[in-house]
Amino acid sequence: EADIYQTPRYLVIGTGKKITLECSQTMGHDKMYWYQQDPGMELHLIHYSYGVNSTEKGDLSSESTVSRIRTEHFPLTLESARPSHTSQYLCASSRAGVSGYTFGSGTRLTVV
Amino acid sequence: DAKTTQPPSMDCAEGRAANLPCNHSTISGNEYVYWYRQIHSQGPQYIIHGLKNNETNEMASLIITEDRKSSTLILPHATLRDTAVYYCIVIIADSWGKLQFGAGTQVVVTP
Repeated sequence: EADIYQTPRYLVIGTGKKITLECSQTMGHDKMYWYQQDPGMELHLIHYSYGVNSTEKGDLSSESTVSRIRTEHFPLTLESARPSHTSQYLCASSRAGVSGYTFGSGTRLTVV
Repeated sequence: DAKTTQPPSMDCAEGRAANLPCNHSTISGNEYVYWYRQIHSQGPQYIIHGLKNNETNEMASLIITEDRKSSTLILPHATLRDTAVYYCIVIIADSWGKLQFGAGTQVVVTP
Protein backbone atom coordinates (compact mmCIF):
# COMPACT_ATOMS: atom_id res chain seq x y z
CA GLU A 1 0.00 0.00 0.00
CA ALA A 2 1.56 3.26 -1.16
CA ASP A 3 2.15 6.00 1.40
CA ILE A 4 3.03 8.57 -1.24
CA TYR A 5 0.69 9.19 -4.13
CA GLN A 6 1.27 10.86 -7.46
CA THR A 7 -1.42 11.80 -9.94
CA PRO A 8 -1.88 11.53 -12.78
CA ARG A 9 0.20 8.47 -13.62
CA TYR A 10 0.28 9.38 -17.31
CA LEU A 11 -0.48 12.73 -18.95
CA VAL A 12 -0.44 13.76 -22.59
CA ILE A 13 -1.01 17.45 -23.07
CA GLY A 14 -0.65 20.11 -25.74
CA THR A 15 2.03 22.77 -25.91
CA GLY A 16 1.24 25.93 -23.95
CA LYS A 17 -1.10 24.31 -21.44
CA LYS A 18 -0.72 24.83 -17.72
CA ILE A 19 -0.39 21.62 -15.74
CA THR A 20 -0.05 20.63 -12.11
CA LEU A 21 1.38 17.31 -11.03
CA GLU A 22 0.09 16.22 -7.65
CA CYS A 23 2.07 14.57 -4.88
CA SER A 24 0.71 13.68 -1.45
CA GLN A 25 2.13 11.64 1.40
CA THR A 26 0.43 10.28 4.50
CA MET A 27 3.55 9.63 6.59
CA GLY A 28 3.92 13.09 8.10
CA HIS A 29 7.35 13.47 6.52
CA ASP A 30 8.87 16.93 6.72
CA LYS A 31 11.06 16.65 3.65
CA MET A 32 9.73 16.27 0.11
CA TYR A 33 11.43 16.20 -3.28
CA TRP A 34 10.80 16.24 -7.00
CA TYR A 35 13.09 14.39 -9.38
CA GLN A 36 13.06 14.39 -13.17
CA GLN A 37 14.16 11.40 -15.21
CA ASP A 38 14.30 10.98 -18.98
CA PRO A 39 14.04 7.39 -20.29
CA GLY A 40 17.21 5.41 -19.60
CA MET A 41 18.86 8.39 -17.97
CA GLU A 42 19.79 9.45 -14.44
CA LEU A 43 17.42 10.97 -11.90
CA HIS A 44 17.95 14.68 -11.30
CA LEU A 45 16.71 16.65 -8.30
CA ILE A 46 14.70 19.68 -9.47
CA HIS A 47 12.93 20.87 -6.29
CA TYR A 48 12.87 20.11 -2.60
CA SER A 49 11.19 21.27 0.58
CA TYR A 50 12.15 20.90 4.23
CA GLY A 51 8.71 21.83 5.54
CA VAL A 52 5.67 24.06 5.13
CA ASN A 53 6.45 27.28 3.24
CA SER A 54 9.96 26.01 2.45
CA THR A 55 10.90 25.36 -1.18
CA GLU A 56 14.29 25.26 -2.89
CA LYS A 57 15.55 24.61 -6.39
CA GLY A 58 17.53 21.45 -6.98
CA ASP A 59 20.66 20.77 -8.97
CA LEU A 60 18.95 20.60 -12.36
CA SER A 61 17.42 23.83 -13.58
CA SER A 62 13.71 23.47 -14.22
CA GLU A 63 11.03 25.82 -15.50
CA SER A 64 8.57 24.24 -13.11
CA THR A 65 7.53 25.69 -9.76
CA VAL A 66 6.44 24.05 -6.51
CA SER A 67 4.55 25.01 -3.37
CA ARG A 68 4.31 23.55 0.13
CA ILE A 69 1.27 24.94 1.91
CA ARG A 70 0.51 21.71 3.76
CA THR A 71 2.94 19.14 5.10
CA GLU A 72 1.39 16.31 3.12
CA HIS A 73 1.07 18.06 -0.24
CA PHE A 74 3.84 19.13 -2.67
CA PRO A 75 2.45 19.94 -6.12
CA LEU A 76 4.59 20.79 -9.15
CA THR A 77 3.32 23.26 -11.76
CA LEU A 78 4.34 24.03 -15.32
CA GLU A 79 2.79 27.33 -16.42
CA SER A 80 3.25 26.66 -20.13
CA ALA A 81 4.15 23.12 -21.12
CA ARG A 82 6.63 22.54 -23.95
CA PRO A 83 7.82 19.35 -25.68
CA SER A 84 11.16 19.73 -23.83
CA HIS A 85 9.24 19.09 -20.59
CA THR A 86 8.43 15.57 -21.73
CA SER A 87 9.86 13.33 -19.02
CA GLN A 88 9.03 11.28 -15.96
CA TYR A 89 8.57 13.22 -12.72
CA LEU A 90 9.10 11.38 -9.43
CA CYS A 91 8.08 12.68 -6.02
CA ALA A 92 9.69 11.49 -2.78
CA SER A 93 9.53 12.21 0.93
CA SER A 94 11.62 11.48 4.02
CA ARG A 95 11.73 12.19 7.74
CA ALA A 96 14.12 14.72 9.14
CA GLY A 97 17.52 13.27 9.85
CA VAL A 98 19.20 10.37 8.12
CA SER A 99 16.47 8.13 6.82
CA GLY A 100 15.31 6.36 3.72
CA TYR A 101 13.34 8.10 1.07
CA THR A 102 9.94 6.85 -0.07
CA PHE A 103 9.21 7.43 -3.74
CA GLY A 104 5.92 7.69 -5.55
CA SER A 105 5.16 5.78 -8.74
CA GLY A 106 5.87 8.82 -10.90
CA THR A 107 4.02 10.85 -13.52
CA ARG A 108 5.00 10.24 -17.11
CA LEU A 109 4.41 13.51 -18.94
CA THR A 110 4.27 13.87 -22.70
CA VAL A 111 3.88 17.32 -24.24
CA VAL A 112 2.87 17.30 -27.90
CA ASP B 1 28.74 14.70 -0.42
CA ALA B 2 31.28 12.09 -1.54
CA LYS B 3 31.05 10.73 -5.06
CA THR B 4 30.69 7.04 -5.81
CA THR B 5 31.90 4.79 -8.61
CA GLN B 6 29.96 1.72 -9.71
CA PRO B 7 30.34 -0.64 -12.68
CA PRO B 8 27.80 0.24 -15.37
CA SER B 9 26.40 -3.26 -15.64
CA MET B 10 26.61 -6.82 -14.42
CA ASP B 11 24.83 -10.09 -14.99
CA CYS B 12 23.86 -12.64 -12.39
CA ALA B 13 22.38 -16.13 -12.63
CA GLU B 14 19.08 -16.69 -10.90
CA GLY B 15 19.53 -18.27 -7.47
CA ARG B 16 23.15 -17.16 -7.14
CA ALA B 17 24.43 -14.35 -4.96
CA ALA B 18 24.87 -10.97 -6.63
CA ASN B 19 27.76 -8.88 -5.29
CA LEU B 20 27.56 -5.24 -6.30
CA PRO B 21 30.67 -3.15 -5.64
CA CYS B 22 30.84 0.56 -4.93
CA ASN B 23 33.87 2.77 -4.45
CA HIS B 24 33.62 5.89 -2.31
CA SER B 25 37.23 6.74 -1.58
CA THR B 26 36.50 10.34 -0.52
CA ILE B 27 33.87 9.43 2.05
CA SER B 28 34.02 11.42 5.26
CA GLY B 29 33.38 10.24 8.80
CA ASN B 30 29.80 11.46 9.04
CA GLU B 31 28.63 10.12 5.67
CA TYR B 32 26.43 7.06 5.37
CA VAL B 33 26.34 4.60 2.48
CA TYR B 34 22.85 4.09 1.08
CA TRP B 35 21.68 1.63 -1.56
CA TYR B 36 18.56 2.05 -3.67
CA ARG B 37 17.27 0.23 -6.72
CA GLN B 38 14.97 1.23 -9.55
CA ILE B 39 12.98 -1.38 -11.40
CA HIS B 40 12.06 -0.38 -14.93
CA SER B 41 11.50 3.36 -14.32
CA GLN B 42 9.39 2.86 -11.21
CA GLY B 43 10.21 5.05 -8.24
CA PRO B 44 13.51 4.04 -6.60
CA GLN B 45 13.21 1.68 -3.66
CA TYR B 46 15.31 1.86 -0.51
CA ILE B 47 17.35 -1.30 0.15
CA ILE B 48 19.75 -0.74 3.03
CA HIS B 49 22.17 1.74 4.56
CA GLY B 50 25.14 1.73 6.92
CA LEU B 51 27.83 3.87 8.49
CA LYS B 52 30.73 1.56 9.24
CA ASN B 53 29.36 -1.74 10.50
CA ASN B 54 28.06 -4.44 8.20
CA GLU B 55 24.28 -4.45 7.94
CA THR B 56 21.72 -7.06 6.95
CA ASN B 57 17.99 -6.91 6.39
CA GLU B 58 15.41 -9.02 4.62
CA MET B 59 16.46 -7.72 1.22
CA ALA B 60 20.24 -7.62 1.27
CA SER B 61 23.50 -7.37 3.16
CA LEU B 62 25.88 -4.42 3.12
CA ILE B 63 29.58 -4.96 3.67
CA ILE B 64 31.65 -1.83 4.30
CA THR B 65 35.44 -2.07 4.30
CA GLU B 66 37.28 -1.09 7.44
CA ASP B 67 38.66 2.09 5.83
CA ARG B 68 35.11 2.83 4.54
CA LYS B 69 36.42 3.57 1.05
CA SER B 70 34.35 0.89 -0.60
CA SER B 71 31.33 -1.28 0.02
CA THR B 72 29.52 -4.27 -1.45
CA LEU B 73 25.81 -4.88 -1.64
CA ILE B 74 24.98 -8.57 -1.55
CA LEU B 75 21.71 -10.00 -2.84
CA PRO B 76 21.98 -13.52 -1.40
CA HIS B 77 19.72 -15.39 -3.82
CA ALA B 78 19.01 -13.29 -6.89
CA THR B 79 15.63 -13.67 -8.58
CA LEU B 80 14.40 -12.37 -11.92
CA ARG B 81 12.55 -9.62 -10.03
CA ASP B 82 15.90 -8.29 -8.81
CA THR B 83 16.69 -7.07 -12.33
CA ALA B 84 17.03 -3.32 -11.82
CA VAL B 85 19.42 -0.38 -11.69
CA TYR B 86 21.18 -0.30 -8.32
CA TYR B 87 22.41 3.00 -6.92
CA CYS B 88 25.10 3.44 -4.29
CA ILE B 89 24.82 6.87 -2.65
CA VAL B 90 26.92 8.49 0.03
CA ILE B 91 25.10 11.13 2.04
CA ILE B 92 26.07 13.30 4.95
CA ALA B 93 24.45 12.29 8.20
CA ASP B 94 22.37 15.32 9.02
CA SER B 95 18.85 16.46 8.38
CA TRP B 96 19.71 18.45 5.26
CA GLY B 97 21.04 15.68 3.05
CA LYS B 98 19.56 15.29 -0.42
CA LEU B 99 19.89 12.07 -2.39
CA GLN B 100 21.92 12.57 -5.57
CA PHE B 101 21.64 9.65 -7.98
CA GLY B 102 24.43 8.68 -10.36
CA ALA B 103 24.25 6.24 -13.24
CA GLY B 104 24.15 3.15 -10.99
CA THR B 105 24.73 -0.46 -11.99
CA GLN B 106 22.28 -2.18 -14.31
CA VAL B 107 21.89 -5.68 -12.93
CA VAL B 108 20.32 -8.32 -15.15
CA VAL B 109 19.36 -11.60 -13.52
CA THR B 110 19.13 -14.41 -16.05
CA PRO B 111 17.33 -17.77 -15.71
